[in-house]
Amino acid sequence: EAQVTQNPRYLITVTGKKLTVTCSQNMNHEYMSWYRQDPGLGLRQIYYSMNVEVTDKGDVPEGYKVSRKEKRNFPLILESPSPNQTSLYFCASSLRLASYEQYFGPGTRLTVT
Amino acid sequence: QQQVKQSPQSLIVQKGGISIINCAYENTAFDYFPWYQQFPGKGPALLIAIRPDVSEKKEGRFTISFNKSAKQFSLHIMDSQPGDSATYFCAASESENAGNMLTFGGGTRLMVKP
Repeated sequence: EAQVTQNPRYLITVTGKKLTVTCSQNMNHEYMSWYRQDPGLGLRQIYYSMNVEVTDKGDVPEGYKVSRKEKRNFPLILESPSPNQTSLYFCASSLRLASYEQYFGPGTRLTVT
Repeated sequence: QQQVKQSPQSLIVQKGGISIINCAYENTAFDYFPWYQQFPGKGPALLIAIRPDVSEKKEGRFTISFNKSAKQFSLHIMDSQPGDSATYFCAASESENAGNMLTFGGGTRLMVKP
């Protein structure tokens, strides 16, 4: 089954404790992206990657890091989480740059206390 | 500052009625306008999309209307069903944007009452 998977689905952590949210897709997609979803603000792009070892900032990259060492994986790293990073996070992938249909994962709900 | 403004934030419609969600944008370079549907506990999924060379696109009960001069587009759901209850996001993108970035509206929570 073609899908984007994220782990964990739920995470409660404390300020300053480094965490990683994993994302993996099995569709051989070149393009992957991370979004955060907040009430009334829709989804905002954090980082994106156009291919292995190619990443760039989206709209709200502060406090986040990403890496793309393999085509299928695109982890999101919070080196020192803060309460304002409490949010619902989605990973997405699409086949190629010119293909705009993005396939979203199920989401990771993060709470930072 | 949101580049795509969506209204209303929430909408309640009776079964069989028409649901209408509106979006407005400022960036005239936007040339792709998709709508995503999100059910609770799930990620958004592409519902329907339009490019500005047409003024309307219809897929089943879902229709996008596009007004380029007014920089507005809307989603109409005809014969709304309880199964349509979800959050709907409009979005916009530029073809020339190397980041393939979708700019989303704030979302509309639709409830269709039986």
